Amino acid sequence: KAGVTQTPRYLIKTRGQQVTLSCSPISGHRSVSWYQQTPGQGLQFLFEYFSETQRNKGNFPGRFSGRQFSNSRSEMNVSTLELGDSALYLCASSPAGRRAEAFFGQGTRLTVV
Amino acid sequence: GENVEQHPSTLSVQEGDSAVIKCTYSDSASNYFPWYKQELGKRPQLIIDIRSNVGEKKDQRIAVTLNKTAKHFSLHITETQPEDSAVYFCAATASGGGADGLTFGKGTHLIIQP
Repeated sequence: KAGVTQTPRYLIKTRGQQVTLSCSPISGHRSVSWYQQTPGQGLQFLFEYFSETQRNKGNFPGRFSGRQFSNSRSEMNVSTLELGDSALYLCASSPAGRRAEAFFGQGTRLTVV
Repeated sequence: GENVEQHPSTLSVQEGDSAVIKCTYSDSASNYFPWYKQELGKRPQLIIDIRSNVGEKKDQRIAVTLNKTAKHFSLHITETQPEDSAVYFCAATASGGGADGLTFGKGTHLIIQP
C-alpha cells in the first residue's frame, strides 16, 4: 500500500506570495492532518480534515487554510508568505476508527526568501 | 490545551546500552500517546504507541510505560544499535471526539556511540 504522498518536496517562494501544498493520503484513510515543523517550535498542529470538512484547527493565523476533496486528497494554502513561514510542512493521514494514529508523508520543505 | 514536555533534548549512549526518554503531559483528557522516530531528512515514523488503559507496552527492543496519575510516559530502548540514532518525539492527544491533533514534545536527539 502506498504511503502518504506530498508534492512538491521543495519550494522556494518570495515574501508576500502565496503557496499551495498537496497531500494524497494512504488509500482508505479519510482523515488528513497538517503539521508545521521548525527547529524552534518543533511539530505544531495546523488543521485536520475529514470527509471534506475541517474538523479541528490549531493556533495559526488565517493565512493558513486548507481543504479536502471527495477522494480525501488535501491541499493547504498559505497566503501572504512571511519569512517565518519557512518550515517543513507535514501531512498525515489516519485510518477510519483510529483517528489519532497519524502516518506522515515526507513533507514539503518551504523556504521563503 | 495540551502541553507536552520532553527530556532530555540530547541523549548520547554507548552502543548496546539502554536509552530512556521521558515526557510529561498536562491534559488529563489525553488518552493516546504515540512515539515517533525521525531520521535526518525523513518523515516521522510511528514506532510505538500506548493508550491510557494500558500501563506498559513492548515491541522487541522498544517499550513504553505510562503513569496516568503522574501524567508522564517514557520510551525505553534496550540494546541500542547505530540505526537507533535519530530524533525521537513523544506526543499526546485525546483520541476520541474533540481531538485537536497531536501535541508533540520538542524531541530528543539520540546519539548511539560505537
